[in-house]
Amino acid sequence: SQQGEEDPQALSIQEGENATMNCSYKTSINNLQWYRQNSGRGLVHLILIRSNEREKHSGRLRVTLDTSKKSSSLLITASRAADTASYFCATDLRGGADGLTFGKGTHLIIQP
Amino acid sequence: NAGVTQTPKFQVLKTGQSMTLQCAQDMNHEYMSWYRQDPGMGLRLIHYSVGAGITDQGEVPNGYNVSRSTTEDFPLRLLSAAPSQTSVYFCASSSLTGGYEKLFFGSGTQLSVL
Repeated sequence: SQQGEEDPQALSIQEGENATMNCSYKTSINNLQWYRQNSGRGLVHLILIRSNEREKHSGRLRVTLDTSKKSSSLLITASRAADTASYFCATDLRGGADGLTFGKGTHLIIQP
Repeated sequence: NAGVTQTPKFQVLKTGQSMTLQCAQDMNHEYMSWYRQDPGMGLRLIHYSVGAGITDQGEVPNGYNVSRSTTEDFPLRLLSAAPSQTSVYFCASSSLTGGYEKLFFGSGTQLSVL
């Protein structure tokens, strides 16, 4: 079964608001990554956070990782229409035994 | 720098036909993988490889074969296509410097099996 699960499945907000989506996973990991997928396109890497890190920033993105709760969150601040996409978390199990697995994604819609 | 190149972009097969999806990367990445994406299911890992001569099964390997004879290429073979294999297929690669690093994705192959 899939290692990571995003929540919510869908999110619709107004342009300019912040968007938060969460990812929960089941077993110990080496790192956790977030990806964006625009409709009909491939996935694009957004940010990687390692298991010994708690928070990471990249532009308008903020990612947190709580290994005790086996969860991560992705915050997009000051959202724009161009942020409309699906967002996926991906995890690699400690030891890398099962490759890199993805959750089912959060579909984010930014209303203009 | 081409990155990850997938061919073809679209393919229609009849049930029982065979075909190979091609994937090549020019970044000298150790890790290469194939995913399929179905509506509401996210990406599911089919097969992956951590180096030439090494392959392993992912979550949904049945009906697919892979080989990794070179670092650059990782073809995915459908030996006898079934309608259940209708999906969008993505190839991806990454360095393994510190565990699984940033994945680079190809543009995808949309496969329909009639």
